[in-house]
Amino acid sequence: KNEVEQSPQNLTAQEGEFITINCSYSVGISALHWLQQHPGGGIVSLFMLSSGKKKHGRLIATINIQEKHSSLHITASHPRDSAVYICAVNNNDMRFGAGTRLTVKP
Amino acid sequence: GAVVSQHPSRVICKSGTSVKIECRSLDFQATTMFWYRQFPKQSLMLMATSNEGSKATYEQGVEKDKFLINHASLTLSTLTVTSAHPEDSSFYICSARNRVNGYTFGSGTRLTVV
Repeated sequence: KNEVEQSPQNLTAQEGEFITINCSYSVGISALHWLQQHPGGGIVSLFMLSSGKKKHGRLIATINIQEKHSSLHITASHPRDSAVYICAVNNNDMRFGAGTRLTVKP
Repeated sequence: GAVVSQHPSRVICKSGTSVKIECRSLDFQATTMFWYRQFPKQSLMLMATSNEGSKATYEQGVEKDKFLINHASLTLSTLTVTSAHPEDSSFYICSARNRVNGYTFGSGTRLTVV
């Protein structure tokens, strides 16, 4: 079993839909990250969380430390949100989920 | 702020040659940099952690003599793939710890060994 599990693996949505991507982890962590990887491979760090909830624009990330679970939400999704979203946890180093490939259709 | 510049973005090399990939932190000092490898449709895998002025720490299964890491300054870490083979073809990406949001990633290097 992977230390970091993401679901779903693939997600297709229509423009405007509300999107949720889930991440569960099995190890102790100091922080959890949500990353966005574009088709060219470049990676952008979206959030770093150690508790609670963070919001940036249309993106919201939450974490429940007791349940070892985090969610990434995208409101009013847009085709430009199409990317792979990766959950990563770190203590001394980072461990990555397999990613969720999101496709938002116009 | 907190930008990491990675070069080259793409490189094609012949089997048996060496390739150097550079990662520079442009506006902050990175005492620790991380090197990852990603095969197609797979997740990022940590290869090694480099600390400025000391030897890199390699993950299990990563050959330190093949993947040479140098972190000689607080703003530059390099990964050299020595005697590259086709199976080394992959996407290599670095990241550095920063004080803003934890980690900043380079843009990645797609290596193709022919």
